[in-house]
Amino acid sequence: DVVLTQSPLSLPVTLGQPASISCRSSQSLLYSDGNTYLSWFQQRPGQSPRRLIYNISHRDSGVPDRFSGSGSGTDFTLKISRVEAEDVGVYYCMQGTHWPLTFGGGTKVEIK
Amino acid sequence: QVQLEQSGAEVKQPGASVKVSCKASDFIFTTYGISWVRQAPGQGLEWMGWISAYDGNTKYAQKFQGRVTLTTDTSTRTANMELRSLRSDDTAVYYCAIEQYWGQGTLVIVSS
Repeated sequence: DVVLTQSPLSLPVTLGQPASISCRSSQSLLYSDGNTYLSWFQQRPGQSPRRLIYNISHRDSGVPDRFSGSGSGTDFTLKISRVEAEDVGVYYCMQGTHWPLTFGGGTKVEIK
Repeated sequence: QVQLEQSGAEVKQPGASVKVSCKASDFIFTTYGISWVRQAPGQGLEWMGWISAYDGNTKYAQKFQGRVTLTTDTSTRTANMELRSLRSDDTAVYYCAIEQYWGQGTLVIVSS
């Protein structure tokens, strides 16, 4: 199975400052169709997960443009340009290239 | 607005089975696949399996193989997840997800 390793586990950030989360895969997530099926999810306390980003860098509808995704192959990053209070929660990466689909362990974003 | 409405919370005894349903509204149901993901208390997201609403093709995580069955009913736009031989460590919130849309989650408690 593909192992996704996220870092850091916990990320205290100051409001208005940037934040960055890393997701490293145990094998390449580039699929034979040319797409890389790496997504990012946000889970606010007490809520269902919400997909923010798919295929490395495509934002879902309604997702603020302060969220951006980048990377290729085995290394991926989610960036928040200026953290707002509503961004508190746990962030997960997920790969959809190889069966079984797998999630990273999560990164908890909190306000300092 | 696409919504996924899941069935209500369940309390089951060890060894029993549980069936969780997920009804999609205003959605071209047969175009997509439905993933099932669970989250144990205080833990991360765990992918359980996927079913194509188009042709019923399924993929399961090895951990649940033989114990879980995914089905769909295209006439009612409903996906179902049945988990058998329940154990206490199956206590979790179970989610269905289609693309960026997630259900509200169904809490399943396994306890004698």
